[in-house]
This record gives sequence, C-alpha cells and structure tokens, in this order.
Amino acid sequence: EDQVTQSPEALRLQEGESSSLNCSYTVSGLRGLFWYRQDPGKGPEFLFTLYSAGEEKEKERLKATLTKKESFLHITAPKPEDSATYLCAVQAGDYKLSFGAGTTVTVRA
Amino acid sequence: KAGVTQTPRYLIKTRGQQVTLSCSPISGHRSVSWYQQTPGQGLQFLFEYFSETQRNKGNFPGRFSGRQFSNSRSEMNVSTLELGDSALYLCASSLKAGELFFGEGSRLTVL
Repeated sequence: EDQVTQSPEALRLQEGESSSLNCSYTVSGLRGLFWYRQDPGKGPEFLFTLYSAGEEKEKERLKATLTKKESFLHITAPKPEDSATYLCAVQAGDYKLSFGAGTTVTVRA
Repeated sequence: KAGVTQTPRYLIKTRGQQVTLSCSPISGHRSVSWYQQTPGQGLQFLFEYFSETQRNKGNFPGRFSGRQFSNSRSEMNVSTLELGDSALYLCASSLKAGELFFGEGSRLTVL
C-alpha cells in the first residue's frame, strides 16, 4: 500500500529563519509528487508537481526537491503569511493520490 | 475565472439520515474528485469522475456514492449517516492529473 509520511508534524519558525519540511514515500510506480498548502478553513492550494529524482521547482520563498525516496520543501526567509499546513501527495500507477498528514508551519514576526 | 464551488458549506444531520453534497468545477475541467478530511485521518480519497464515469474509487463503504453530470458538475451522497462521517468533504477539479483545484469544502456534522 502507498505510504506518505511527513515530518515534522509542526514547525515554529521566527520570521527569516529558513527551514525544510520532509515528505518520504513508498509507492509502486510513482507518477508524480505534489505539494499543496492549506490555510485554516479552506481547501488545499496546489503549489508544485515533481516527476523525477533530481527535479526542483521554485515559487517565491518555496523550493521543492525530489529524490527517489523523499521530497523536501525548503522555506527560505519565511514571512508570517507563509504560516499554513503543507501537504505532500503522491500519485501511483493507478492514478490515485495519497496525501500525507501534513506539516503545520507557524512563522512568528 | 471562478473557482470550484461547493454547496452547502455547512450542514448538520442526525445519525441514519442521508446527505447530498454538490460541486461545480472550474469551467473546462472534466475531472472531479472528492476527498474526506478529518483531524485523525487527514485527506482520504473518495472517488474521481471524468466525463460522467467513475474513474477511480477509494476505500470507503458503499454508503458513499457519487455521480457526475454532463456539464461536469458532481454530487456525492452519503446514506445512513454515522457519527464518524462528520468531516470536511472537499471537491477538486483538474485538467492535469494530480494538480487539483479544491473548493472550500462542505463541513458535515452528524449528531
């Protein structure tokens, strides 16, 4: 069965303090790995798609990378508006998406 | 461009009742997926529809069902509600596999 594990569960950062979130996965036939951001009371918002090991994607202060077993979401010099829950999802050969439990990031001014 | 619209946003039901939730996808999106989100289980895949056909299904009991209409709008139904069905139900539409655009969800409380 496909498994997605995100760590840490929660991350408290000071504004400007860079850090990384981890998403490790076991899946048969990875078709893609996806990162989402979810704000309280809202649906997840799509951020990135990664397809193969070595691939990187960037958007503002966020950078996602992919290896054969895990993905990292790096947050560089975060601001309070980066506070959210970040979700990782993998798509297997059957095209189903499996989500991790998420990492809740709190950035203090 | 309008996003994914879900109705109703909030609803309260009692055990044994049934509920129907509605989803209007982004214009042009033919794939619609449904997810259940709870604090304990996170986001769990319910089913996906494409051009009125169920393309994929998660591991939920038969009480959970859905359908998609010719205009891509979708509904999901839960019959014989249980307390454990209390959750945020999220609908998402997409043009590209895995790149989902979610609505704000329908929050169901079962008493």
